[in-house]
Amino acid sequence: GAVVSQHPSRVICKSGTSVKIECRSLDFQATTMFWYRQFPKKSLMLMATSNEGSKATYEQGVEKDKFLINHASLTLSTLTVTSAHPEDSSFYICSTLLGADNEQFFGPGTRLTVL
Amino acid sequence: GENVEQHPSTLSVQEGDSAVIKCTYSDSASNYFPWYKQELGKRPQLIIDIRSNVGEKKDQRIAVTLNKTAKHFSLHITETQPEDSAVYFCAASYSSASKIIFGSGTRLSIRP
Repeated sequence: GAVVSQHPSRVICKSGTSVKIECRSLDFQATTMFWYRQFPKKSLMLMATSNEGSKATYEQGVEKDKFLINHASLTLSTLTVTSAHPEDSSFYICSTLLGADNEQFFGPGTRLTVL
Repeated sequence: GENVEQHPSTLSVQEGDSAVIKCTYSDSASNYFPWYKQELGKRPQLIIDIRSNVGEKKDQRIAVTLNKTAKHFSLHITETQPEDSAVYFCAASYSSASKIIFGSGTRLSIRP
């Protein structure tokens, strides 16, 4: 069964609004979560590493003030796209580590469309 | 930072034939190399991975080889079936617990 969930699965919003995406680990604690963005027919690009109880580590070129990440509990990390614009339209996917081998499990993704 | 290159970008093979996807990486410190399969609109699914202490790993019809000296690794799918059609991504990481850098992806199509 799924070990990581995301909500919402799909969201359409107007330009200028903010959108919050939730990533939850199911039945286990996740001190580290990763956020990726995937444009159509493109690869997954790591945006940031989310660490429970501390600030997220952002990849080069990712605006931390635009993509706010909060990891306040061991089962929940949120990504907020602030003042969204059409170019932010993408598939956002989170992942977390599970098991002795620290295998990364991906959430089902959230498709964001900004009009 | 790590950079992963993948080719081909698209691959079409006859059902029953083999498919090979190749990747190279830049950072010699990387030692974990997973491969993911992604169907349209779905999450990536880990299909096989290899660590730097081995040169080859096999799981039924899927095998992966790693050449650390040359910094390249490959995915081999034998006896391809229609359900193998998907986008495949290679990736590299310092460890399975570290951030993963993905290749650009290969769209594999299996012709009936």
